[in-house]
Amino acid sequence: AQSVTQLDSQVPVFEEAPVELRCNYSSSVSVYLFWYVQYPNQGLQLLLKYLSGSTLVESINGFEAEFNKSQTSFHLRKPSVHISDTAEYFCAVTFKTSYDKVIFGPGTSLSVIP
Amino acid sequence: DAGVTQSPTHLIKTRGQQVTLRCSPKSGHDTVSWYQQALGQGPQFIFQYYEEEERQRGNFPDRFSGHQFPNYSSELNVNALLLGDSALYLCASSWGLAQHEQYFGPGTRLTVT
Repeated sequence: AQSVTQLDSQVPVFEEAPVELRCNYSSSVSVYLFWYVQYPNQGLQLLLKYLSGSTLVESINGFEAEFNKSQTSFHLRKPSVHISDTAEYFCAVTFKTSYDKVIFGPGTSLSVIP
Repeated sequence: DAGVTQSPTHLIKTRGQQVTLRCSPKSGHDTVSWYQQALGQGPQFIFQYYEEEERQRGNFPDRFSGHQFPNYSSELNVNALLLGDSALYLCASSWGLAQHEQYFGPGTRLTVT
């Protein structure tokens, strides 16, 4: 069965410092991988996704994530965070070969400290 | 271009009551999925509607039911509400059954007292 693990429930980081949010998944077949962001009192927004091709994917606001098949990971990174990056971040996975539901991780709360 | 819209924004119900939540998909989308997000947790898939039929279902009891209308909008109904049903209910829309291009609405916050 598919599952998603986000080991860090809360990540405090100072403004302009780098950050890495960890995501590991378990699946016996190929997967699509996603990172969603949820700002306070809002719905989910797709931050970036890996479907195929280059294992390094980037978002328009400076985040990037790298798909590592051997380690079944899809960690999210940003070299320099801003106050506006404070939010809840969810990693998610779905099967690549079937129309299956998206499985979300428990989320990581990123707090950027001025 | 309107995105995914949900109504109402907030709702307070009493245990045992029934509730209906509504969702209008993004323009051009024909598939609607519903998720339950309990406080401090990730969203949990409830079910997906396509061509007015339930196509997939997560691990939720039959108290959770839904409907999709010809204009692709959707309703989520929950009967015999329990305190544990208190959560943010998210609607997501996409084109076709593949869920790798979903757009989420702002959610409906349901509180059961």
